[in-house]
Amino acid sequence: QKEVEQNSGPLSVPEGAIASLNCTYSDRVSQSFFWYRQYSGKSPELIMSIYSNGDKEDGRFTAQLNKASQYVSLLIRDSQPSDSATYLCAVNHDNYGQNFVFGPGTRLSVLP
Amino acid sequence: SAVISQKPSRDICQRGTSLTIQCQVDSQVTMMFWYRQQPGQSLTLIATANQGSEATYESGFVIDKFPISRPNLTFSTLTVSNMSPEDSSIYLCSVTGTGGLSYGYTFGSGTRLTVV
Repeated sequence: QKEVEQNSGPLSVPEGAIASLNCTYSDRVSQSFFWYRQYSGKSPELIMSIYSNGDKEDGRFTAQLNKASQYVSLLIRDSQPSDSATYLCAVNHDNYGQNFVFGPGTRLSVLP
Repeated sequence: SAVISQKPSRDICQRGTSLTIQCQVDSQVTMMFWYRQQPGQSLTLIATANQGSEATYESGFVIDKFPISRPNLTFSTLTVSNMSPEDSSIYLCSVTGTGGLSYGYTFGSGTRLTVV
């Protein structure tokens, strides 16, 4: 069974610090990796996608992928209180919905 | 990315009744997905709705409990039938980004269902 693991948190960081969110996955042939942000009472919002080993940067967000270690992370620089949310890692094995698996999410709290 | 309108946004229902959730997309999409998010939990795929064919259900979900319609490429409904308190969840529809599932999902705003 394909699994995606995340620390449930809460992860607390002070405002302005770097928040590091981690995700591991079990299916070695997974191809696409996504980070979603979900505010309380809201639906998930896609914030980053990554497909190749290495880093991908978008503003304050950096996604890191290491397929050999089956590990994907999200770094949030200069964390703001508005970043406080649950961050969901999602892994796609192929292009069909049956193989799109979400992790349990990590709750991030940025303290002012 | 696609814009999805989902309704109702929330409802409180009596056990034993049914609720139909509607999802309207502003563009034509081949596949639509229905997810459930139980309190404090992550997302679980219920089924994939394809226009012109029967929906494909994930393990643990059956058509009699969660019938799905997909009459055209912009619209789908999910019915939660014969509800019990265990069905209290957020239900979300989603579609793939341009280029397919490898570009991730866009989600509707969700339906928060409480069964009493």
